[in-house]
Order: sequence, then C-alpha cells, then structure tokens
Amino acid sequence: EVQLVESGGLVVQPGGSLRLSCAASGFTFDDYAMHWVRQAPGKGLEWVSLISWDGGSTHYADSVKGRFTISRDNSKDSLYLQMNSLRPEDSALYYCAKDMGITGDGHFDYWGQGTLVTVSS
Amino acid sequence: YVLTQPPSVSVAPGKTARITCGGNNIGTKNVHWYQQKPGQAPVVVICFDTDRPSGIPERFSGSNSGNTATLTISRVEAGDEADYYCQVWNSGIDHGWVFGGGTKLTVL
Repeated sequence: EVQLVESGGLVVQPGGSLRLSCAASGFTFDDYAMHWVRQAPGKGLEWVSLISWDGGSTHYADSVKGRFTISRDNSKDSLYLQMNSLRPEDSALYYCAKDMGITGDGHFDYWGQGTLVTVSS
Repeated sequence: YVLTQPPSVSVAPGKTARITCGGNNIGTKNVHWYQQKPGQAPVVVICFDTDRPSGIPERFSGSNSGNTATLTISRVEAGDEADYYCQVWNSGIDHGWVFGGGTKLTVL
C-alpha cells in the first residue's frame, strides 16, 4: 500500500524558515517524480514544486521561486521542502504527492494527508 | 496559463452533473481531474482527459476539446458531493502544473 506521510509543519514567524519532510513507502521511491502542493484554509489547490526521480530536474511555482528548495534522498525514501523567507501567504496545508511518472508531467496518483504551516507573528 | 472553473454546480440525485474547465487551447493538453471531500486529500478521478483510474466508478467520465474540458458525473449520488479541480501541465516558458480554482458540487 502506498503511503506518504508529511511532517514538519509548525507555527513560524514571518521571515522564518521551515523544513518539511515526506516519508514514502509501498512503492519504489526512486522510480517516480514527486511534488509538493499546498492549500490555504478554505482555498483551492496550488502546485508548489516538483522534483524528478533522480533529483536532476526541479521546478517551482513563481510564488515560491527563490525562497523554497525541493530535494529528495532516495536512500531514505524521503522528500523535502526547505522553506525560507516565509510570508503569511505561505500559510497552508502542504501535501506531498507522487507523480505517475519519472519526470513530473504525469498526474498525481497518490497524496499524503498534509502538514500544516502557519506563518504568523 | 489560467484554468477557469465555475465556483459551484448543483444537481439533484440521479441526474447528470457537468463541471467545465476553460483554458486557452486546453484541447491540446492532457487534463486531469481531482475530487476532494472535506478534510481529505484529493483523489484523481479522471486522468489524460478521459481515463478512469482503477476504483473510480464508470459514472465519472471526461472530455476535452477546443477551449473547454468537461468532467461529467452521471447518476449523481450524495457521496459525490465534493470539490473538483482540473489540472494541466503548462509546458510554456514558465512551465509547471496549473490547477483550476475548483468547483463545489452540491447534491440537492
């Protein structure tokens, strides 16, 4: 059974940093691209970032470019999102999602349950 | 690239619901649809315009042509009440994934 378990969500002050993690199991992690998607309270889905199967290719939404960094450790079946210079508008539930392919342009076939990030003073 | 969905659609049980997703030449892109129930993570219900993943009822179908993609839910049930999002890969200069704003389906 595929499982994606996010962690690391906290309340953090504006300008602060946070690192989210996603532990994957139930599939061959290094065979698939991975994504982060966020959802502000009561709002829609916003794609944040993707990383290819080997970490060689990454893409970011314009809203986080230059502030967030996606990475993965295939030896630990784990995905990460380093979030710097956080803003109140970054407050959201952050989902880890598995791509159906290796490059990240397939659909998202499995999602975690999310970890909540709140940016507030 | 912008995807436009109606904020809400209402339908009586047993009837057919159609949720649209508008985008410039969206018919040239692969469209995926997700269902999200309150407090739950999204689930893909249609991929690559018309494909139904394993476990998704045949009542769910999709189409995509011109500037509009459509998710159709036949014989709507109370359990179909949820938010639905369309999604495409934008392969332009600022390539990345784009979600529509979402449509709240209400079963009357």
